[in-house]
Amino acid sequence: AQKVTQAQTEISVVEKEDVTLDCVYETRDTTYYLFWYKQPPSGELVFLIRRNSFDEQNEISGRYSWNFQKSTSSFNFTITASQVVDSAVYFCALSEKGYGGSQGNLIFGKGTKLSVKP
Amino acid sequence: DSGVTQTPKHLITATGQRVTLRCSPRSGDLSVYWYQQSLDQGLQFLIQYYNGEERAKGNILERFSAQQFPDLHSELNLSSLELGDSALYFCASSRGVGMGIETQYFGPGTRLLVL
Repeated sequence: AQKVTQAQTEISVVEKEDVTLDCVYETRDTTYYLFWYKQPPSGELVFLIRRNSFDEQNEISGRYSWNFQKSTSSFNFTITASQVVDSAVYFCALSEKGYGGSQGNLIFGKGTKLSVKP
Repeated sequence: DSGVTQTPKHLITATGQRVTLRCSPRSGDLSVYWYQQSLDQGLQFLIQYYNGEERAKGNILERFSAQQFPDLHSELNLSSLELGDSALYFCASSRGVGMGIETQYFGPGTRLLVL
């Protein structure tokens, strides 16, 4: 069965600290995508990144970076020099193939609540 | 702003009632997905529509139903509501035109409270 585990329920850091959010996934598919979404206190879900199963290159976008390792089935997210505005719940998600090989639904982890204190 | 709109933003109703949640996808998106976010179950996929047809079903209760109209907006109908149906309901959309796995963009959600 496909599953996403975010073992860290809550993390609290002080501004400017680096923080890594862990994500471990399980799937039998050889082709799949992994995603990270951010849910700020206002409640909406904001797309951050997606990565396909054939691309293990790490990605950096400003203060955000992602480390994808198929060998350990992990897709971790690091925020460098955290800021108060980074306070949110972060979800890791795995795509599941749907009908006819097209886009299927997302399987979400339980989320990690990040609090960045000034 | 993702471009996905959902109405209403908040909904308060009583047990046993029926409500309809509405979603308009991003311009040009053919696929619409519904998700439920509750404290105990987390974010769960309910149902997907592609260009008016049901494409995939998740943990959707029989009391719930959905449809996608010719103008591509979608409605999620929740009936015989129970206290446990209180949750945040998200709609998401994606292009739906290719065979690959696409990014889903989420609306702001409808917060349902059943009293």
